[in-house]
Parts: sequence; structure tokens; C-alpha cells
Amino acid sequence: GAVVSQHPSRVICKSGTSVKIECRSLDFQATTMFWYRQFPKQSLMLMATSNEGSKATYEQGVEKDKFLINHASLTLSTLTVTSAHPEDSSFYICSARDGEGNQPQHFGDGTRLSIL
Amino acid sequence: KQEVTQIPAALSVPEGENLVLNCSFTDSAIYNLQWFRQDPGKGLTSLLLIQSSQREQTSGRLNASLDKSSGRSTLYIAASQPGDSATYLCAVKDKTDKLIFGTGTRLQVFP
Repeated sequence: GAVVSQHPSRVICKSGTSVKIECRSLDFQATTMFWYRQFPKQSLMLMATSNEGSKATYEQGVEKDKFLINHASLTLSTLTVTSAHPEDSSFYICSARDGEGNQPQHFGDGTRLSIL
Repeated sequence: KQEVTQIPAALSVPEGENLVLNCSFTDSAIYNLQWFRQDPGKGLTSLLLIQSSQREQTSGRLNASLDKSSGRSTLYIAASQPGDSATYLCAVKDKTDKLIFGTGTRLQVFP
């Protein structure tokens, strides 16, 4: 089945550090990738949608200069949290889809980001 | 704006019980509805996907129904097991091609 690998699974770092999270589709081409954020005991909130080779589309209220998304190939997207602060601590999850909207999204295992 | 609500927020049951988890959405103009399972600290595992033209989908002990006109879906879990303990999320794909998630039902099945 379709597998999405997300790395790292956990990051703990000091305030002011920039953190990069990778999302890879292992056995399919991810024409579209999605980045979500999840606070404790809350649901997933879409941050941005990216199509391979194009600039990401950010949801309202998400700072594009804070959360840099790159989708340079059909199997890899990265999310960089720049100059992270404690309020950026959260669980970040990526998903990937091959093809049009009615195709299912396949999710990674998430990254727990903790900023001290 | 599409809003997705799940009831109950938490559920604790003994092993062997049949369960019904509820999901409701405010805008019936959806493309599909999906049920996911999330284990603590993990990503999402897709359980069932129902297209807007379908009424239900079944996989093993799981059955999901969709009543688009009333904005409701149910996930039925038969003969629950401790391994079913997790958070169950429903999500609808709306006309903007985005998945809108509910807040989930935290299920605990005890032996």
C-alpha cells in the first residue's frame, strides 16, 4: 500500500532554532502534499497545500515566512519552521496524494516538535 | 464554512461491545467522507472512505454509513477489542478539495 515516511519523529530544540521536517512518499508519486498541525486533544488543522514544482498555498492565519514549504520533487516535501518559539511546539503531520481530489490522502506518522 | 462535529468525545467500554461513533457536518456539499484511526503520538490510518454517491462501506468489523442530506455519518465497530483503543477521526472533503476534520472520539476498550 501507499506509504508516507515523515522524519524526524521527534525534535527538541532551543528557541530561535530553525527546524526542517521531511515528508516522503515511498512507493507512489505525490503530486500534492498537505501539511497539518495538531494541538493536544484537538483535531488536525490544515496549514498549507503544495503541488510539485509550485509554490505552496497557505491557509488563512498561517505565516508563510514562518513555515517554509518546499515540494521540489514528486516524492519529497519539506516544512521548515524558521526561528521556532515555544508557541510553535505542536504535532505536525504531512499527507500525500497521487492524482485528483477523489484519491485518498496517505498520512505520515507525524513529528512532535518541542521548543524549549 | 464547513464544520465537523463528533459525538461522543470519549467512550470507554468493555471488550465485546458493539459501538457506534457519530460524525455530523454542516454543509452537505461534500465529495467524500473518510474515517481515520489515530494512535497516541502517531499519524493517521485510513479506515474507510465513502464517496458522496455511496451510502456505506464495510471493512472487517467496521461499517461506515453516510447520509449526506442530513449531514451525518456513523462508524459501527462490531465486537470491540482492546486493540481498537485509539482516537477515531472523521473528515469530509469539501468543494475546496480540503479535508475538514472533526475533533475525534477517544475510544478505550478494556478487557
